[in-house]
Amino acid sequence: AQTVTQSQPEMSVQEAETVTLSCTYDTSESDYYLFWYKQPPSRQMILVIRQEAYKQQNATENRFSVNFQKAAKSFSLKISDSQLGDAAMYFCAYCLDNDMRFGAGTRLTVKP
Amino acid sequence: DTGVSQNPRHKITKRGQNVTFRCDPISEHNRLYWYRQTLGQGPEFLTYFQNEAQLEKSRLLSDRFSAERPKGSFSTLEIQRTEQGDSAMYLCASSRNPKNTEAFFGQGTRLTVV
Repeated sequence: AQTVTQSQPEMSVQEAETVTLSCTYDTSESDYYLFWYKQPPSRQMILVIRQEAYKQQNATENRFSVNFQKAAKSFSLKISDSQLGDAAMYFCAYCLDNDMRFGAGTRLTVKP
Repeated sequence: DTGVSQNPRHKITKRGQNVTFRCDPISEHNRLYWYRQTLGQGPEFLTYFQNEAQLEKSRLLSDRFSAERPKGSFSTLEIQRTEQGDSAMYLCASSRNPKNTEAFFGQGTRLTVV
């Protein structure tokens, strides 16, 4: 079974600084998708960024970028120029054939 | 609002009662998922529909749980003989072809069993 591990239950960053959230996963597959979702206190999950495993280029969405290391099965999220609105739970997710599995999440606090 | 809609938002029930939740996915999405999320944890997969067909069920989905999507549109999740351990947030998500595209989540139904 695929497992997703987020080793940082909580992270804190100063406003305007950069923070990196870690994620590792376990799989024997080669073609899958990875996602980072954000869950603000209102609890609706919102997609932050996605990465196709067959693509070597790291995905980027404005201030959000990933470091995808396929051999190491690592998928970290970098948030640049952190904003107060970035404060939320962040979940890493692995998806294969529409079966999406989530990590336990990292709570990000942004300090003004 | 064209997002995923879940009703009710909150449900408090006595142990042993049956409860039913509803999810209305985004209209053109043919895939629908149910997840359960407890405090401080990530969503746990419960079940998944492709149109009206229920294609996969997690071991977490005991025989007290049943989900339907009769016309391939909205879905219901029923819990019979609720237990305190069923207290959680129940999340619904939907996605469209091709496979592995992002899932869009509803705001969830928070169940409290007293």
